[in-house]
Amino acid sequence: DTAVSQTPKYLVTQMGNDKSIKCEQNLGHDTMYWYKQDSKKFLKIMFSYNNKELIINETVPNRFSPKSPDKAHLNLHINSLELGDSAVYFCASSQDFSSSGANVLTFGAGSRLTVL
Amino acid sequence: GNSVTQMEGPVTLSEEAFLTINCTYTATGYPSLFWYVQYPGEGLQLLLKATKADDKGSNKGFEATYRKETTSFHLEKGSVQVSDSAVYFCALGGGTSYGKLTFGQGTILTVHP
Repeated sequence: DTAVSQTPKYLVTQMGNDKSIKCEQNLGHDTMYWYKQDSKKFLKIMFSYNNKELIINETVPNRFSPKSPDKAHLNLHINSLELGDSAVYFCASSQDFSSSGANVLTFGAGSRLTVL
Repeated sequence: GNSVTQMEGPVTLSEEAFLTINCTYTATGYPSLFWYVQYPGEGLQLLLKATKADDKGSNKGFEATYRKETTSFHLEKGSVQVSDSAVYFCALGGGTSYGKLTFGQGTILTVHP
């Protein structure tokens, strides 16, 4: 059983297009995240939702819009794609966003976006 | 703000060699520390964690000790295998981070037979 699943796994598109990546978790977790991994493997958080509410919104262009229809789903829509958006996007979830520590994240397998 | 610095890679070792990957951090409050591993073509998965000073996390022969005095969380394994080839990420969370993990830049490990 896949715990955190993302679709599509690969996405190749032209500059200027709009695309979406979907994420679903079946762990019963309250909190979900989107991370971006660049070509040098560096990981940076983009967004986090807790029970459908946005709690983290890092400095990300307005062209990126997350949507959480329910706590098991967090989708990422990207408008007007640019070359610099090429990366691997990881969805993740955790039980909650408690600051008590030991907040273990479960990651999806990633969605590799290539913008031509 | 929070930050994590890992030793630069890539690291190439022969099977059964000793592994150390250095990790130091800067944080406010009392963070938890993690090592995640990313095998080729896969997402990250938790390798081990430690939630307070002097805690030792361990899993699959890997160990790391939370050292508050040196703000470090170095990863070690006594005898690496080819199957340990992966990217290793040190990460920091908890404290005031609201669930957000701050990752180091990752260290690529390649183990040859």
